[in-house]
Amino acid sequence: GDSVTQMEGPVTLSEEAFLTINCTYTATGYPSLFWYVQYPGEGLQLLLKATKADDKGSNKGFEATYRKETTSFHLEKGSVQVSDSAVYFCALDSGGSNYKLTFGKGTLLTVNP
Amino acid sequence: GAVVSQHPSWVICKSGTSVKIECRSLDFQATTMFWYRQFPKQSLMLMATSNEGSKATYEQGVEKDKFLINHASLTLSTLTVTSAHPEDSSFYICSARIPGTYSNQPQHFGDGTRLSIL
Repeated sequence: GDSVTQMEGPVTLSEEAFLTINCTYTATGYPSLFWYVQYPGEGLQLLLKATKADDKGSNKGFEATYRKETTSFHLEKGSVQVSDSAVYFCALDSGGSNYKLTFGKGTLLTVNP
Repeated sequence: GAVVSQHPSWVICKSGTSVKIECRSLDFQATTMFWYRQFPKQSLMLMATSNEGSKATYEQGVEKDKFLINHASLTLSTLTVTSAHPEDSSFYICSARIPGTYSNQPQHFGDGTRLSIL
């Protein structure tokens, strides 16, 4: 079955540091890949997506490239801010029955001033 | 962008009562909505998939008589936690998917409902 593996957190960085959160996946077919962000006490917000190999999703300074050869979709940001502190979820949709999402376990990011 | 509204955001009630949570897609028609449960510091657990006009599909281990789901219109799905007990206390999140036959359509999430059963 489909699965998503994210790097274990928590991740603690200083403001303006470089961020990488690793995500690898196992899926049948050609899934679409997503990064969602969850701020404390809130639901999930779509951060970015990529729908085919070599696509790069980007939003708010975050980027992730769909790497089919390594089955990876690592999230990166060149310079994090305190406001980026949140939980980040990697997810895939392989287009199966009802287009269910398969989530990673989430990575808590804390950015200190 | 697509907006999903979830209501209420927080509810506290006594053990044995039933609680209804609403999930609305505000600017699109959602043929499919999803209900998740999230425990503290954990990922989302899919409870059920709600399709407009048909019975919900529940994930293994989820009691369909405890968690009643109704998707009577293209913009509204409801989750009713019947005879709630303290172990039902959790954060419940809904999502809706813009119709499309490809997996590249993301799910859009509500802000969640914090349910506390005393």
